[in-house]
Amino acid sequence: NAGVMQNPRHLVRRRGQEARLRCSPMKGHSHVYWYRQLPEEGLKFMVYLQKENIIDESGMPKERFSAEFPKEGPSILRIQQVVRGDSAAYFCASSPRGQGGMVEFFGPGTRLTVL
Amino acid sequence: QKEVEQDPGPLSVPEGAIVSLNCTYSNSAFQYFMWYRQYSRKGPELLMYTYSSGNKEDGRFTAQVDKSSKYISLFIRDSQPSDSATYLCAMGSLYNQGGKLIFGQGTELSVKP
Repeated sequence: NAGVMQNPRHLVRRRGQEARLRCSPMKGHSHVYWYRQLPEEGLKFMVYLQKENIIDESGMPKERFSAEFPKEGPSILRIQQVVRGDSAAYFCASSPRGQGGMVEFFGPGTRLTVL
Repeated sequence: QKEVEQDPGPLSVPEGAIVSLNCTYSNSAFQYFMWYRQYSRKGPELLMYTYSSGNKEDGRFTAQVDKSSKYISLFIRDSQPSDSATYLCAMGSLYNQGGKLIFGQGTELSVKP
């Protein structure tokens, strides 16, 4: 059973460009979470999605950031007009919910570097 | 005050030592407590998962939760160099905060051969 998959693993963007990060949850998992990890800091929650629904986006910056989890395909975290402060590791996690509560399994992350 | 406090370390111990890692928290609504291990430039890996208060043991790892003191611990017995990583505590509540987890800052552990 494949784990959570994220791509790309590394992404380099220039200031002002768009970044698209993809996450495919574990098979059978319908709940996806995005977290951001800045250097020397722990993981910070960004958004929680189910298929076609945003459940909790309380950790998302108000501007430039958006997320979706369509009926078909991976979840996408989109950052428009990136700035240097967006450089971080972005992790996706998935959960089965109803099979162990809130246990979340993490992907390998996408490391975004903004030049 | 942060919701979850964790000593960032770094913590350095000799091989075979018992390691104690701790977190304190302020939100009494937390019901689920996890410990993750994260190797450098990798994703977090779930080590232990505990619901409410009590102890849970898995091999060399023991997790303790004391909800009355809002304090959780992870003990590693017979530590190995391969245990060298950053350990993250995480916690959450189904009722107050939906599905999100609140993480501690992480403790960097180094086990010397």
